[in-house]
Amino acid sequence: AQSVSQHNHHVILSEAASLELGCNYSYGGTVNLFWYVQYPGQHLQLLLKYFSGDPLVKGIKGFEAEFIKSKFSFNLRKPSVQWSDTAEYFCAVNSGGYQKVTFGTGTKLQVIP
Amino acid sequence: GAGVSQSPRYKVTKRGQDVALRCDPISGHVSLYWYRQALGQGPEFLTYFNYEAQQDKSGLPNDRFSAERPEGSISTLTIQRTEQRDSAMYRCASSLSSAPNGYTFGSGTRLTVV
Repeated sequence: AQSVSQHNHHVILSEAASLELGCNYSYGGTVNLFWYVQYPGQHLQLLLKYFSGDPLVKGIKGFEAEFIKSKFSFNLRKPSVQWSDTAEYFCAVNSGGYQKVTFGTGTKLQVIP
Repeated sequence: GAGVSQSPRYKVTKRGQDVALRCDPISGHVSLYWYRQALGQGPEFLTYFNYEAQQDKSGLPNDRFSAERPEGSISTLTIQRTEQRDSAMYRCASSLSSAPNGYTFGSGTRLTVV
């Protein structure tokens, strides 16, 4: 069965700091990986996705994520966060042959001006 | 419509009552998914449809939960004899095809059972 672990439940950063949110999944076969974001008062939105090809994926608003197959990881990064990045971030996985997507428990990011 | 629409946005119901949660996906979207999200947790898969066919209902917690999508568009998630532990945010999402390209989520229905 597919599962996702997000190590950080709550992260507090100052503006301009660099961000890295950890995500590990548990499935040895082909996977599709996603990061979703939920801004305060809004619905979940797709931030970026990885299916195949270049393991470094760029998404909206300057976010990127790197797929490292040997580590079963898909960490989210941003070089310099802004106050507007305050949100909850969810990593998700879909493994080969399954249509449903499994989500992690989420990481709340708070950016202090 | 332009996005995924869920109604009602908020529902407070008494224990033992039945509730029906509605999801209107983006027009033309083949797949529709239901998730439940408890406070402090990530979305938990409940069930999904391709067109009108329910493909996987393995995430439904018990037989009090059911879902349908009779015409391949609007879907209803029904919870019978609600219990306090059913209180959560219920999220609906749709996707253009059955390929997992990423979902478009609705705003969710916050269900509170008192």
